[in-house]
Amino acid sequence: DVKVTQSSRYLVKRTGEKVFLECVQDMDHENMFWYRQDPGLGLRLIYFSYDVKMKEKGDIPEGYSVSREKKERFSLILESASTNQTSMYLCATNPPGQQAYEQYFGPGTRLTVT
Amino acid sequence: AQSVTQLDSQVPVFEEAPVELRCNYSSSVSVYLFWYVQYPNQGLQLLLKYLSGSTLVESINGFEAEFNKSQTSFHLRKPSVHISDTAEYFCAVRRTSGTYKYIFGTGTRLKVLA
Repeated sequence: DVKVTQSSRYLVKRTGEKVFLECVQDMDHENMFWYRQDPGLGLRLIYFSYDVKMKEKGDIPEGYSVSREKKERFSLILESASTNQTSMYLCATNPPGQQAYEQYFGPGTRLTVT
Repeated sequence: AQSVTQLDSQVPVFEEAPVELRCNYSSSVSVYLFWYVQYPNQGLQLLLKYLSGSTLVESINGFEAEFNKSQTSFHLRKPSVHISDTAEYFCAVRRTSGTYKYIFGTGTRLKVLA
């Protein structure tokens, strides 16, 4: 089974702090994604990466950056956390090629910025 | 660009009653269609998918969805729900080529009542 883990289930940070959210997958998948999930808004794509050191902006990249130094790890960085970044953050991966249609999700990190 | 509309944000239904969760999409190119389920305090997991072929697709736990190209819909149905089906359900689309980006709907919260 594919396993996608996220470093924290719950996180509380102060406004202005730099925040790192880590995602690790164990299936050698090339594609990795970061979403935020908010009530009534569904999932919105922040960034995705299709290879090591390759990244592409999603629909709401402002205030975020990402890092992918190794294939299995995709980090989301909040350079200066703000209260409007309080949300549930979900990491996902999918395999390349013919099976690229299914996304595998981590359990999520609920971030609160005070 | 693609978009997904889930008109019902919440659907309460009694146990053993039938349910339909509606999903409409908009796209100028061909797409794959998905339903994902999110149980409380968990990440999303794939429930079923339409890639090609038969327009009726089924999941292992009794859900089914029908792709209707003329109405651009992919409604999810179950003839008899259980308490354990209580969850949030997300409809999603992805272009069949050119990108790995997924577009998610805003979700429908299904609450099954005893």
